[in-house]
Amino acid sequence: DAMVIQNPRYQVTQFGKPVTLSCSQTLNHNVMYWYQQKSSQAPKLLFHYYDKDFNNEADTPDNFQSRRPNTSFCFLDIRSPGLGDAAMYLCATSILGRNDEQFFGPGTRLTVL
Amino acid sequence: QKEVEQNSGPLSVPEGAIASLNCTYSDRVSQSFFWYRQYSGKSPELIMSIYSNGDKEDGRFTAQLNKASQYVSLLIRDSQPSDSATYLCAVSWGGFQKLVFGTGTRLLVSP
Repeated sequence: DAMVIQNPRYQVTQFGKPVTLSCSQTLNHNVMYWYQQKSSQAPKLLFHYYDKDFNNEADTPDNFQSRRPNTSFCFLDIRSPGLGDAAMYLCATSILGRNDEQFFGPGTRLTVL
Repeated sequence: QKEVEQNSGPLSVPEGAIASLNCTYSDRVSQSFFWYRQYSGKSPELIMSIYSNGDKEDGRFTAQLNKASQYVSLLIRDSQPSDSATYLCAVSWGGFQKLVFGTGTRLLVSP
């Protein structure tokens, strides 16, 4: 089945230790998104790619970076995680021009010790 | 600042009743509207999309859109305990299909 896959599902890191979260998709969608969701809050868009074009949200901290080496994969790098970065990180995909529907992966729960 | 507002709830309904979830948004040029269901600890799941004024039905779910009032709602008929979740309203303002989410309404369906 076509799907959005995120690895790992749970990630524990130490304060200040870099971490990379990955997302892959078999939907062949040209847009990929990274969201951060904290408990009882709305998902917050960090950035998105249209193909290889990177679009950063104005309020996304510099501590968050992203890479999309090909259509199928996208990575979220947190260079120096702080306690406030503990959250669920959600990857989503869509097809530009098709009804704006976004489909989410299962998420990665990040814990910062 | 584009905003999407939802009552956080919880909204409690008995099994078999109709659950009515509401959402308002701030920008009159909003284009697309979505309802996502999110179980605790899980990711959002798209359950309904609506793009024009009126009602759209899909099984037990009906989405209603009123652009003049900047209002979108979700009705769940014959509510089941498995419908207990947080329902997120999301609005797109076009371009690269960026969504702005509300904080969600928690629905509790009691047996």
